[in-house]
Amino acid sequence: SAVISQKPSRDICQRGTSLTIQCQVDSQVTMMFWYRQQPGQSLTLIATANQGSEATYESGFVIDKFPISRPNLTFSTLTVSNMSPEDSSIYLCSVASPGRGTEAFFGQGTRLTVV
Amino acid sequence: EDQVTQSPEALRLQEGESSSLNCSYTVSGLRGLFWYRQDPGKGPEFLFTLYSAGEEKEKERLKATLTKKESFLHITAPKPEDSATYLCAVQALGTGFQKLVFGTGTRLLVSP
Repeated sequence: SAVISQKPSRDICQRGTSLTIQCQVDSQVTMMFWYRQQPGQSLTLIATANQGSEATYESGFVIDKFPISRPNLTFSTLTVSNMSPEDSSIYLCSVASPGRGTEAFFGQGTRLTVV
Repeated sequence: EDQVTQSPEALRLQEGESSSLNCSYTVSGLRGLFWYRQDPGKGPEFLFTLYSAGEEKEKERLKATLTKKESFLHITAPKPEDSATYLCAVQALGTGFQKLVFGTGTRLLVSP
């Protein structure tokens, strides 16, 4: 399985500001995914990020609010823009198992609190 | 729309008291059903993938089974270190990448 590192692990931010979350993988992967886990709710896919192309966003998520970069096959960033308290959540980076494409592996997550 | 429902929401067991967690799902053709374990403050840890009804997989005290409508995660003689939230997810058939749809999880607490 891939080793996935996320930074920061947690942050407390003022409303109206933006936070960029970094995700580094120890092997090259085609697809990287960003999820949100709100308190008491299931993991929800925000977007899929392929290297060299625009991210694909799920219903309810837009690029202006959650811009994503994917500059190479081992790195991605998710920015949470113009934050409000409703954005308080855990944000998780994920990759599909190299060579198998089914099982997803996750980073440790970024716990974001917006005050 | 693909859906996953997990029950119970929370389960408290005594050490050694076996039990099962349930994952009911509706999906337009199942590509795979996944079980994850999530500890507080950490990302989900992959446990099992099941692909077809009748399939079973085991890992230490955990055994996952699959039918056409649900999956069970059986925990035999649990220990306190098995305490965690257990998540179920499904992936539908289709061309290219199909996203995982997760349930809300079962919080398991095993007391010594």
